[in-house]
Amino acid sequence: GDSVTQMEGPVTLSEEAFLTINCTYTATGYPSLFWYVQYPGEGLQLLLKATKADDKGSNKGFEATYRKETTSFHLEKGSVQVSDSAVYFCALRRFTGGGNKLTFGTGTQLKVEL
Amino acid sequence: DVKVTQSSRYLVKRTGEKVFLECVQDMDHENMFWYRQDPGLGLRLIYFSYDVKMKEKGDIPEGYSVSREKKERFSLILESASTNQTSMYLCASIPHFSGRASSTDTQYFGPGTRLTVL
Repeated sequence: GDSVTQMEGPVTLSEEAFLTINCTYTATGYPSLFWYVQYPGEGLQLLLKATKADDKGSNKGFEATYRKETTSFHLEKGSVQVSDSAVYFCALRRFTGGGNKLTFGTGTQLKVEL
Repeated sequence: DVKVTQSSRYLVKRTGEKVFLECVQDMDHENMFWYRQDPGLGLRLIYFSYDVKMKEKGDIPEGYSVSREKKERFSLILESASTNQTSMYLCASIPHFSGRASSTDTQYFGPGTRLTVL
């Protein structure tokens, strides 16, 4: 079945450091890939998405490129801020019958310190 | 603005109680989902519904049931709560499956209900 593997956290960085959170997936066909973010005490929000190979999703300074050859969708940001502290979830969706089901990774907690 | 609301942010129940978690969306979405979120396990799909009165089991339906009597409301029911159902429960919705990966296919999440079963 489909699966998503994320690097374990927590990841602790200093402000303005470079961020990479690794994500790899297993799925048949051509899934769409997503990064969701969950700030403390809140539900999940879509951060960015990519729907086909070599697409780059970007939002709020975060980027991720859909790499089909390595089945990866790593999240990057050049300079993190304290306000980026949250849990980040990688997810995929295949178009199966019965609706849009997402398969999530286990989440990676990011802590950014001054 | 898109909105998914859940009836409670925090809930404490006793073992054996019947528990109702309510989710309402105001976007006229056909598809609605219930997940539970546990540390180290991420989000796991319990049930989903793609239309009124329609439901399908997700990955972990045991111990849960759902009800979708109206399009905007999707309820998760714990018939007899147990301590291993202590978790964060998240509801989500999405428009009708269009068959294309368009920008309207994003899942929108509610704020979550943290349920503790004693």
